[in-house]
Amino acid sequence: RKEVEQDPGPFNVPEGATVAFNCTYSNSASQSFFWYRQDCRKEPKLLMSVYSSGNEDGRFTAQLNRASQYISLLIRDSKLSDSATYLCAVNAWEDTGRRALTFGSGTRLQVQP
Amino acid sequence: EAGVTQFPSHSVIEKGQTVTLRCDPISGHDNLYWYRRVMGKEIKFLLHFVKESKQDESGMPNNRFLAERTGGTYSTLKVQPAELEDSGVYFCASSHYSGRSNEQFFGPGTRLTVL
Repeated sequence: RKEVEQDPGPFNVPEGATVAFNCTYSNSASQSFFWYRQDCRKEPKLLMSVYSSGNEDGRFTAQLNRASQYISLLIRDSKLSDSATYLCAVNAWEDTGRRALTFGSGTRLQVQP
Repeated sequence: EAGVTQFPSHSVIEKGQTVTLRCDPISGHDNLYWYRRVMGKEIKFLLHFVKESKQDESGMPNNRFLAERTGGTYSTLKVQPAELEDSGVYFCASSHYSGRSNEQFFGPGTRLTVL
């Protein structure tokens, strides 16, 4: 089983739709969680950190569910410019002593006009 | 504020040759990371520097890879001799704080092709 798993998609949604992605992680001691956005042939760009209480940034909302070991990303009112691959990344430094991020393989989102 | 920069953006070499990749982190970031993405796979960690010291080399695939960070500023990653399976995109990332948050910011990557 992979340490971090994501549905590869693609998720094809119309403009204005709400879409949600989940990412599951296997190490229950993980405590740092992030969502990155990656455009084709570009670098991952940090979208948001995911806090225990959940956090929101404009149209984007991230949630953490420790009991079920997953994080989620909700995008409201999708724009064409949201089309990208969304990567989740996890770190368990308190458990492993390592700062390395473990990435999922990404979920591709295609927003259609 | 300038982001993480990497050089070159692309490199095409033949098997057995040597390639050196360079990364300049965000100014003031003590933590520097190298990651790699090979075709069809997820991004994988290679190593982590704190200033000039190697904090974690657990992701380095073998001794053909050598990373340095002179004076705790920029870093180089040398592959010698390169093999076909080394092809991929090499990303560098940096972070300011090694606390709970540890937000890492990525450079544009170097796309390495070994023929």
